Amino acid sequence: EPEVTQTPSHQVTQMGQEVILRCVPISNHLYFYWYRQILGQKVEFLVSFYNNEISEKSEIFDDQFSVERPDGSNFTLKIRSTKLEDSAMYFCASMNSGNTEAFFGQGTRLTVV
Amino acid sequence: GQQLNQSPQSMFIQEGEDVSMNCTSSSIFNTWLWYKQDPGEGPVLLIALYKAGELTSNGRLTAQFGITRKDSFLNISASIPSDVGIYFCAGQPMDSSYKLIFGSGTRLLVRP
Repeated sequence: EPEVTQTPSHQVTQMGQEVILRCVPISNHLYFYWYRQILGQKVEFLVSFYNNEISEKSEIFDDQFSVERPDGSNFTLKIRSTKLEDSAMYFCASMNSGNTEAFFGQGTRLTVV
Repeated sequence: GQQLNQSPQSMFIQEGEDVSMNCTSSSIFNTWLWYKQDPGEGPVLLIALYKAGELTSNGRLTAQFGITRKDSFLNISASIPSDVGIYFCAGQPMDSSYKLIFGSGTRLLVRP
Protein backbone atom coordinates (compact mmCIF):
# COMPACT_ATOMS: atom_id res chain seq x y z
CA GLU A 1 0.00 0.00 0.00
CA PRO A 2 1.42 3.42 -0.91
CA GLU A 3 2.56 5.51 2.03
CA VAL A 4 4.12 8.82 2.93
CA THR A 5 7.70 8.38 4.10
CA GLN A 6 9.68 10.82 6.20
CA THR A 7 13.37 11.06 7.03
CA PRO A 8 15.03 11.22 9.43
CA SER A 9 12.84 9.68 12.11
CA HIS A 10 14.68 11.65 14.78
CA GLN A 11 16.84 14.75 14.47
CA VAL A 12 18.72 16.42 17.29
CA THR A 13 20.11 19.85 16.53
CA GLN A 14 21.69 22.76 18.33
CA MET A 15 19.72 25.94 18.74
CA GLY A 16 20.42 28.30 15.86
CA GLN A 17 21.26 25.54 13.39
CA GLU A 18 19.39 24.89 10.18
CA VAL A 19 17.48 21.66 9.70
CA ILE A 20 15.85 20.11 6.68
CA LEU A 21 13.10 17.56 7.15
CA ARG A 22 12.36 15.37 4.19
CA CYS A 23 9.22 13.72 2.92
CA VAL A 24 8.30 11.55 -0.01
CA PRO A 25 4.55 11.91 -0.55
CA ILE A 26 2.41 9.28 -2.21
CA SER A 27 3.32 9.37 -5.88
CA ASN A 28 0.10 10.47 -7.57
CA HIS A 29 -0.85 12.97 -4.90
CA LEU A 30 -1.07 16.66 -5.68
CA TYR A 31 -1.50 18.42 -2.34
CA PHE A 32 1.24 18.42 0.28
CA TYR A 33 1.25 19.56 3.86
CA TRP A 34 3.41 19.96 6.92
CA TYR A 35 1.95 19.72 10.38
CA ARG A 36 3.53 19.96 13.80
CA GLN A 37 2.69 18.27 17.09
CA ILE A 38 4.30 19.46 20.29
CA LEU A 39 4.57 16.63 22.83
CA GLY A 40 1.20 15.85 24.36
CA GLN A 41 -0.69 18.37 22.25
CA LYS A 42 -2.83 18.32 19.15
CA VAL A 43 -1.64 18.32 15.58
CA GLU A 44 -1.27 21.84 14.16
CA PHE A 45 -1.30 22.91 10.53
CA LEU A 46 1.84 24.64 9.27
CA VAL A 47 1.66 24.94 5.50
CA SER A 48 -0.03 23.59 2.39
CA PHE A 49 1.62 23.32 -1.02
CA TYR A 50 0.00 22.81 -4.39
CA ASN A 51 1.10 23.36 -7.95
CA ASN A 52 4.64 24.20 -6.83
CA GLU A 53 3.69 27.00 -4.51
CA ILE A 54 2.47 27.62 -1.01
CA SER A 55 -1.32 27.81 -0.99
CA GLU A 56 -1.79 28.54 2.68
CA LYS A 57 0.31 28.91 5.80
CA SER A 58 -0.41 29.33 9.49
CA GLU A 59 0.94 31.99 11.83
CA ILE A 60 3.43 29.40 13.09
CA PHE A 61 5.03 29.28 9.64
CA ASP A 62 7.10 32.44 9.92
CA ASP A 63 10.15 33.58 7.97
CA GLN A 64 12.31 30.91 9.58
CA PHE A 65 10.35 28.21 7.75
CA SER A 66 10.39 27.35 4.08
CA VAL A 67 9.21 24.46 1.92
CA GLU A 68 10.43 23.11 -1.37
CA ARG A 69 9.60 20.43 -3.84
CA PRO A 70 13.03 20.19 -5.43
CA ASP A 71 12.17 17.31 -7.75
CA GLY A 72 9.17 15.21 -8.66
CA SER A 73 9.18 13.16 -5.50
CA ASN A 74 10.58 14.99 -2.46
CA PHE A 75 8.92 17.64 -0.32
CA THR A 76 11.08 19.35 2.28
CA LEU A 77 10.60 21.62 5.27
CA LYS A 78 13.53 23.83 6.22
CA ILE A 79 13.87 25.63 9.51
CA ARG A 80 16.57 28.22 9.05
CA SER A 81 17.58 28.96 12.64
CA THR A 82 16.03 26.54 15.09
CA LYS A 83 14.71 27.62 18.47
CA LEU A 84 14.06 25.49 21.53
CA GLU A 85 10.31 25.84 20.97
CA ASP A 86 10.65 24.24 17.53
CA SER A 87 11.08 20.88 19.29
CA ALA A 88 8.13 18.77 18.17
CA MET A 89 7.02 15.96 15.91
CA TYR A 90 6.74 17.16 12.33
CA PHE A 91 4.35 15.31 10.06
CA CYS A 92 4.17 15.43 6.32
CA ALA A 93 0.84 14.63 4.67
CA SER A 94 -0.36 14.30 1.11
CA MET A 95 -3.69 14.17 -0.62
CA ASN A 96 -4.77 13.05 -4.07
CA SER A 97 -7.17 15.91 -4.78
CA GLY A 98 -9.03 18.46 -2.77
CA ASN A 99 -11.69 17.30 -0.39
CA THR A 100 -10.35 13.79 0.01
CA GLU A 101 -8.41 11.96 2.65
CA ALA A 102 -5.01 13.20 3.80
CA PHE A 103 -2.42 10.50 4.54
CA PHE A 104 0.29 11.16 7.08
CA GLY A 105 3.87 10.02 7.37
CA GLN A 106 5.37 8.54 10.52
CA GLY A 107 6.83 11.87 11.50
CA THR A 108 10.24 13.33 12.33
CA ARG A 109 10.91 14.02 15.97
CA LEU A 110 12.93 17.24 16.10
CA THR A 111 14.77 17.98 19.33
CA VAL A 112 16.46 21.37 19.63
CA VAL A 113 19.03 21.59 22.42
CA GLY B 1 -10.86 31.21 14.62
CA GLN B 2 -11.75 27.69 13.54
CA GLN B 3 -11.53 25.32 16.48
CA LEU B 4 -12.71 21.81 17.14
CA ASN B 5 -13.79 20.93 20.65
CA GLN B 6 -13.27 17.25 21.24
CA SER B 7 -14.60 15.28 24.19
CA PRO B 8 -14.02 13.44 26.34
CA GLN B 9 -10.36 14.16 26.91
CA SER B 10 -9.74 10.60 28.05
CA MET B 11 -11.60 7.38 28.66
CA PHE B 12 -10.64 4.28 30.62
CA ILE B 13 -12.96 1.41 29.80
CA GLN B 14 -13.30 -2.32 30.15
CA GLU B 15 -12.60 -4.54 27.17
CA GLY B 16 -15.84 -5.29 25.35
CA GLU B 17 -17.49 -1.97 26.17
CA ASP B 18 -18.66 0.48 23.54
CA VAL B 19 -17.04 3.91 23.29
CA SER B 20 -18.33 7.21 22.00
CA MET B 21 -16.46 10.45 21.42
CA ASN B 22 -17.43 13.62 19.62
CA CYS B 23 -16.27 16.89 18.16
CA THR B 24 -18.12 20.15 17.85
CA SER B 25 -17.32 23.50 16.32
CA SER B 26 -18.90 26.87 15.74
CA SER B 27 -17.61 26.74 12.15
CA ILE B 28 -18.87 24.72 9.22
CA PHE B 29 -16.55 22.08 7.82
CA ASN B 30 -16.48 20.55 4.36
CA THR B 31 -15.16 17.19 5.44
CA TRP B 32 -14.66 15.43 8.74
CA LEU B 33 -11.98 12.83 9.27
CA TRP B 34 -11.24 10.63 12.23
CA TYR B 35 -7.65 9.54 12.92
CA LYS B 36 -5.99 7.26 15.45
CA GLN B 37 -2.48 7.95 16.68
CA ASP B 38 -0.27 5.45 18.48
CA PRO B 39 2.67 6.74 20.56
CA GLY B 40 5.52 8.06 18.42
CA GLU B 41 3.65 7.48 15.17
CA GLY B 42 1.72 9.49 12.66
CA PRO B 43 -2.08 9.77 12.57
CA VAL B 44 -3.73 6.91 10.73
CA LEU B 45 -6.98 7.60 8.92
CA LEU B 46 -9.97 5.65 10.24
CA ILE B 47 -13.04 7.18 8.60
CA ALA B 48 -13.74 10.09 6.24
CA LEU B 49 -17.12 11.84 6.06
CA TYR B 50 -18.14 14.14 3.22
CA LYS B 51 -21.86 14.80 3.35
CA ALA B 52 -23.96 16.35 6.08
CA GLY B 53 -25.83 13.60 7.88
CA GLU B 54 -23.61 10.88 6.46
CA LEU B 55 -23.21 7.79 8.64
CA THR B 56 -20.24 5.57 7.77
CA SER B 57 -18.90 2.35 9.27
CA ASN B 58 -15.49 0.73 9.14
CA GLY B 59 -15.59 -2.57 10.99
CA ARG B 60 -16.35 -1.82 14.64
CA LEU B 61 -16.11 1.91 14.00
CA THR B 62 -19.05 4.11 13.12
CA ALA B 63 -18.93 7.85 12.53
CA GLN B 64 -21.47 10.45 11.58
CA PHE B 65 -21.19 13.90 10.05
CA GLY B 66 -23.66 16.21 11.76
CA ILE B 67 -26.48 17.67 9.75
CA THR B 68 -25.30 21.24 10.43
CA ARG B 69 -21.74 20.31 9.31
CA LYS B 70 -20.49 21.53 12.70
CA ASP B 71 -20.10 18.27 14.56
CA SER B 72 -19.27 14.60 14.32
CA PHE B 73 -19.14 11.57 16.55
CA LEU B 74 -17.14 8.35 16.48
CA ASN B 75 -18.35 5.14 18.08
CA ILE B 76 -16.23 2.06 18.72
CA SER B 77 -18.18 -1.07 19.53
CA ALA B 78 -16.90 -4.01 21.58
CA SER B 79 -13.53 -2.44 22.37
CA ILE B 80 -10.37 -4.56 22.40
CA PRO B 81 -6.93 -3.83 23.88
CA SER B 82 -5.46 -2.75 20.52
CA ASP B 83 -8.00 0.11 20.38
CA VAL B 84 -5.75 1.90 22.90
CA GLY B 85 -4.44 5.18 21.49
CA ILE B 86 -5.38 8.78 20.88
CA TYR B 87 -8.28 9.50 18.57
CA PHE B 88 -8.41 12.82 16.77
CA CYS B 89 -11.20 14.39 14.82
CA ALA B 90 -10.09 16.67 12.01
CA GLY B 91 -12.13 19.00 9.86
CA GLN B 92 -11.47 20.58 6.49
CA PRO B 93 -12.75 24.16 6.61
CA MET B 94 -14.67 25.63 3.72
CA ASP B 95 -12.64 27.95 1.52
CA SER B 96 -9.23 26.67 2.49
CA SER B 97 -6.37 24.83 0.93
CA TYR B 98 -7.90 21.59 2.20
CA LYS B 99 -5.82 21.86 5.35
CA LEU B 100 -7.04 20.01 8.42
CA ILE B 101 -7.94 21.52 11.77
CA PHE B 102 -7.48 18.93 14.51
CA GLY B 103 -9.33 18.42 17.74
CA SER B 104 -7.39 18.04 20.97
CA GLY B 105 -7.76 14.26 20.97
CA THR B 106 -9.41 11.59 23.10
CA ARG B 107 -7.03 9.23 24.87
CA LEU B 108 -8.54 5.76 25.07
CA LEU B 109 -7.33 3.15 27.53
CA VAL B 110 -8.82 -0.35 27.51
CA ARG B 111 -8.59 -2.62 30.52
CA PRO B 112 -8.35 -6.31 29.49
